[in-house]
Amino acid sequence: DVVMTQTPVSLPVSLGGQASISCRSSQSLVHSNGNTYLHWYLQKPGQSPQLLIYRVSNRFSGVPDRFSGSGSGTDFTLKISRVEPEDLGDYYCLQSTHFPFTFGSGTKLEIK
Amino acid sequence: EVQLVESGGGLVQPGRSLKLSCAASGFTFSNYYMAWVRQAPTKGLEWVAYISTGGGSTYYRDSVKGRFTISRDNAKSTLYLQMDSLRSEDTATYYCTTVEIKGFAYWGQGTLVTVSS
Repeated sequence: DVVMTQTPVSLPVSLGGQASISCRSSQSLVHSNGNTYLHWYLQKPGQSPQLLIYRVSNRFSGVPDRFSGSGSGTDFTLKISRVEPEDLGDYYCLQSTHFPFTFGSGTKLEIK
Repeated sequence: EVQLVESGGGLVQPGRSLKLSCAASGFTFSNYYMAWVRQAPTKGLEWVAYISTGGGSTYYRDSVKGRFTISRDNAKSTLYLQMDSLRSEDTATYYCTTVEIKGFAYWGQGTLVTVSS
């Protein structure tokens, strides 16, 4: 199975500040079709996960441009600029290149 | 508006069975691959099973293979998860999701399954 190593576990940030979350995979996430199926999710307290970024760097419908994704191969990053209270929660990366699909263990974004 | 509504969760004894349903609306259900994802209390997300548009292809994580069966009824726009021989480690909130090149784009609100004697 592809292991997704997500860091940090907890990320204290100031409102208005910037946050960066890393996700590293145990093998390349480049599919045989050339696409990289690495996605980012936010799960707010008491809610279902919601898609933020798909295929490394594409913002999902309605996601503010404060969220950006980058990376390639096995090394990926989610950046959040100008953090707002609504951004607090648990962030997960997901790879859907290889079966079984696997998630990172999560990063809790909290107020410093 | 895309809506996914799970149902069928509850308290069940170890070794017994439970069948979850996910009613879809707001999109052409038969055009989408679908999946079940679960989350144990206070834990992270875990993919469980996946089914192709027509239901002919299914995939499972190893820990549920042979015990869980994913299926769909495109005429009813409904996804199912038949769970047999349930174990305490299957206790979780189960979410249904759409599967596409965007990953798991749309999620239901989840249904809680508790396996305990």
